[in-house]
Amino acid sequence: EVQLVESGGGLVKPGGSLRVSCAASGFTFSGYSMNWVRQAPGKGLEWVASISSSSSYIYYADSLKGRFTISRDNAKNSLYLQMNSLRAEDTAVYYCARDSSGYYFYYFDYWGQGTLVTVSS
Amino acid sequence: EIVLTQSPGTLSLSPGERATLSCRASQSVSSSYLAWYQQKPGQAPRLLIYGASSRAAGIPDRFSGSGSGTDFTLTISRLEPEDFAVYYCQQYGSSPRTFGQGTKVEIK
Repeated sequence: EVQLVESGGGLVKPGGSLRVSCAASGFTFSGYSMNWVRQAPGKGLEWVASISSSSSYIYYADSLKGRFTISRDNAKNSLYLQMNSLRAEDTAVYYCARDSSGYYFYYFDYWGQGTLVTVSS
Repeated sequence: EIVLTQSPGTLSLSPGERATLSCRASQSVSSSYLAWYQQKPGQAPRLLIYGASSRAAGIPDRFSGSGSGTDFTLTISRLEPEDFAVYYCQQYGSSPRTFGQGTKVEIK
């Protein structure tokens, strides 16, 4: 059974940093591209960042303007999102989502339960 | 960037009725690379449809997708109580991948 479990969310002050993680199990992690998708309270879904299976290709939403960094450790079956210079508008549930492809970026076939990041003073 | 517009915003129906949800793209979605997701309160989204019309594993056949180009439809043939939720479309034919704003299907 595919499982994605996020952790590391919490309350952080504006301008602060936070790293969220996603532990994957039940599939060959190194064979799939992975993604972060976020959802602000009461709002819709927003794609944040993607990383290919071997980390060769990495993409970010333009709105992030270089503040976030996605990475993965295939030996640990883990996905990460380092978030810097956090703003109130980054407040959201951050979902880890598996891509349906290992090389390209298509649709999201499995999702974690999400971790809430709250940016507030 | 392709903008996806879903309509209606809210659909009020009774169990057993047919639901028709629309997703319109600001430009053609290549290769019908369009997916649909269902999200219930407090839960993560769940993949329903990919490639505009292919059902994901374990999805009941009352869910069907259709369309191409700029107009796509998700149809739920007979609403079950567990189908009342928010539905999102997503295109993956061009970068960046984008989502629609969602359609809420609520009990009338």
